Formats: sequence, C-alpha cells, structure tokens
Amino acid sequence: SQQGEEDPQALSIQEGENATMNCSYKTSINNLQWYRQNSGRGLVHLILIRSNEREKHSGRLRVTLDTSKKSSSLLITASRAADTASYFCATDASWGKLQFGAGTQVVVTP
Amino acid sequence: GAGVSQSPSNKVTEKGKDVELRCDPISGHTALYWYRQSLGQGLEFLIYFQGNSAPDKSGLPSDRFSAERTGGSVSTLTIQRTQQEDSAVYLCASRSGSAGANVLTFGAGSRLTVL
Repeated sequence: SQQGEEDPQALSIQEGENATMNCSYKTSINNLQWYRQNSGRGLVHLILIRSNEREKHSGRLRVTLDTSKKSSSLLITASRAADTASYFCATDASWGKLQFGAGTQVVVTP
Repeated sequence: GAGVSQSPSNKVTEKGKDVELRCDPISGHTALYWYRQSLGQGLEFLIYFQGNSAPDKSGLPSDRFSAERTGGSVSTLTIQRTQQEDSAVYLCASRSGSAGANVLTFGAGSRLTVL
C-alpha cells in the first residue's frame, strides 16, 4: 500500500509561474523526501526534510512539513520548461523502507 | 560503479515464461530496494535488502516473485510464470548504509512487457 498521496494528480502551468504540490501521509515518519522522475527514467532525489524540521530550501525548491497534519508541500518557484516531470513524495517511517505516493505530473509550457 | 545499473532495459516475454531482472547497485551501498511502477502510477514497494539482515519481503505481490542479493552486491528479481498484470517498469535503488544517509539512488529501470 502507498503511504503518501500527492495532490493534485496533474498540474499545468506556464514558465515563470510557481508550482505547488502537496503530500499527505498516514503514519509517523522519520523524514519525508521528494523525488523527480522525467519520462521513461528513474527517480532523482530532490530534497529531504526531517520530522523535526518545518521548512527547507534548495535552490528554487521549498519544502514544508507539518507533522501535526501529516502533510508536506513542495513549491517550485519561477518554473522552467525543464521542470516538466512527475514529482513523488516518499515517507521514511522505519529508517530505510521508503513508501512512495502516486505522484504529481507537472507540465510547464513555454 | 558510478550509478545503479539495471538490465535488461526492456524485456518482452510471453505469458507463463520466467524472467530475471538484474540490478548492480552503487559500490559500497549496503541497502538495495526493488519497486514496481505500472503505467502512470506511483511506486509499489516490493523488497528491501539491508546488509546481512533478512530482507523485508512484505511487498512481494505473490509467491511467483522472489529476489536474492548475492555477496551483498548484485541483486536478481525473478518472476515465475509471468502474467499480463506483471507488465510494469521494475526499478532498483540503492542507499549507503551510513547513519542519516536515507537518500535512494535509482537505476533507469527494466521495462517488462508480458504478452
């Protein structure tokens, strides 16, 4: 079964706009991670946020974590066409076994 | 190696045949994972190896699926008597065993098509 659920399932925006996607999960976690998958390829790690952190930044990415609501959000600022991909959240509840959500498909049009 | 290597990249087989999928993790990584991704779907956990510990097989969908990891390195996922619903991309990932190193590095996947 999948631990995380992303929302929305799909997102279409124009270059320069911000993209926000959310992830909800069910059980307590040690950390939450976001991954990106370009079409037909493996997943690439983007950012990890620990359960005692509330916000983290990496370049144009901003991740928040609300453990009381069991939810996280990923914000991509000033999006580019190259950001077109599927984005997955993954929860680490047992120090190793990562459970992935169904993903948000993001399309950025020039 | 520099990355996680999976082979074959594509496999087409007939229903009822057995298939083997191979994963070469990053050298020195002690943890190895197999996931399955059906078309347009998320990742379904299959199995997880950590060092010399017994593997976590809780995600294997049936007894037709098995996996082994020889010498703490290369892993083989075997699907016996394949069914059409086994068609998917099978992704392997590895992770360093260092404390706090929870990030997975994925291979490009093996796309399995069962006719």
